[in-house]
Amino acid sequence: AQSVTQLDSHVSVSEGTPVLLRCNYSSSYSPSLFWYVQHPNKGLQLLLKYTSAATLVKGINGFEAEFKKSETSFHLTKPSAHMSDAAEYFCVVSGSGTYKYIFGTGTRLKVLA
Amino acid sequence: DGGITQSPKYLFRKEGQNVTLSCEQNLNHDAMYWYRQDPGQGLRLIYYSQIVNDFQKGDIAEGYSVSREKKESFPLTVTSAQKNPTAFYLCASGEPGNTIYFGEGSWLTVV
Repeated sequence: AQSVTQLDSHVSVSEGTPVLLRCNYSSSYSPSLFWYVQHPNKGLQLLLKYTSAATLVKGINGFEAEFKKSETSFHLTKPSAHMSDAAEYFCVVSGSGTYKYIFGTGTRLKVLA
Repeated sequence: DGGITQSPKYLFRKEGQNVTLSCEQNLNHDAMYWYRQDPGQGLRLIYYSQIVNDFQKGDIAEGYSVSREKKESFPLTVTSAQKNPTAFYLCASGEPGNTIYFGEGSWLTVV
């Protein structure tokens, strides 16, 4: 069975400071992991994905995530927040060749001027 | 442009009425999905289709129906049996276990 937990429902940061959005997963087999971003009233856009290659994954807009198997975590980071980063972020787990995607409940990121 | 097109963006349903949400993709993906999103919640799977003329129920299929007559198209009908249909609906497509791509979503409201 697979599951995903986003540890914070809301995160606030000041513009120019680092961003950390936390995600823990559970999977009985080697997972595929994704981070998506959703701006208000829009669909979800892929930020980055992990599919058993390099454990440090770089995505779009300066975001990156590190897959830590021992901690079952896939936290999303960005060195310096921008106002345009304010949105909802979803951590997603799946498995190779499966049609099932498990979505976290989302973390709403607020960026303060 | 390649992508997924959902229409309409906003739709209103009267009591006892069926409504259909359109989803078209030109990404040449075999698999397509419909998700429901309620405010402050994650996405829940309604139906998915692995290939033309095949579809499977997801976690919350009751009150919904789909068809997959063409590879590009996966319309969702919200029937009168769905008692609480007000939500944001998202269509997606992709290859199994890999990135899925989303449309811009459709808002359905009961009036």
